[in-house]
Amino acid sequence: AQRVTQPEKLLSVFKGAPVELKCNYSYSGSPELFWYVQYSRQRLQLLLRHISRESIKGFTADLNKGETSFHLKKPFAQEEDSAMYYCARRGTSYGKLTFGQGTILTVHP
Amino acid sequence: GAGVSQSPRYKVAKRGQDVALRCDPISGHVSLFWYQQALGQGPEFLTYFQNEAQLDKSGLPSDRFFAERPEGSVSTLKIQRTQQEDSAVYLCASSSPRGGPADTQYFGPGTRLTVL
Repeated sequence: AQRVTQPEKLLSVFKGAPVELKCNYSYSGSPELFWYVQYSRQRLQLLLRHISRESIKGFTADLNKGETSFHLKKPFAQEEDSAMYYCARRGTSYGKLTFGQGTILTVHP
Repeated sequence: GAGVSQSPRYKVAKRGQDVALRCDPISGHVSLFWYQQALGQGPEFLTYFQNEAQLDKSGLPSDRFFAERPEGSVSTLKIQRTQQEDSAVYLCASSSPRGGPADTQYFGPGTRLTVL
């Protein structure tokens, strides 16, 4: 079975510090990986996907097939980055997602 | 434009009651997904529709769970004889008209079900 693991339930940093949210996945073929974010009282929304190789709100994530990882990084965290972050993997041709357990990021002023 | 909507937003049921949760996807979206999110966990897949066809129901935890999308738009997730372990947030997501694997899933706000 495909698995997505986020080892940290909670992550706290101070404003301006670098942040890295870890995500590992079980190896299987060519994975499609995503980061979703849920801000307080808002719905789950896509942050970025590895296939786009984009930077959204200063966040980037690189797929490392050797380490089966897709860590989310931002060099300078902002208070508005405080949220729940989920790493997810697309598992089928039609797009079914498998999510990690999520990491709550808190950025302190 | 309007996003995915779900109703009710909150539902409290007594154990043994039947419940029905509604999802209105983004207009024109072919694909519709239901996920279950238990407290402190990530969402877990329940079932998938392409238009009115239910192509995958492998995630439904028991035969008490039933989903339908008869006209290829609105979907209803029904849970019969609810149990306490059914307490969770039920999320609906839809994706774009192309219906292909690269589509972004847009999530609704969820329905929080509490079974007493």
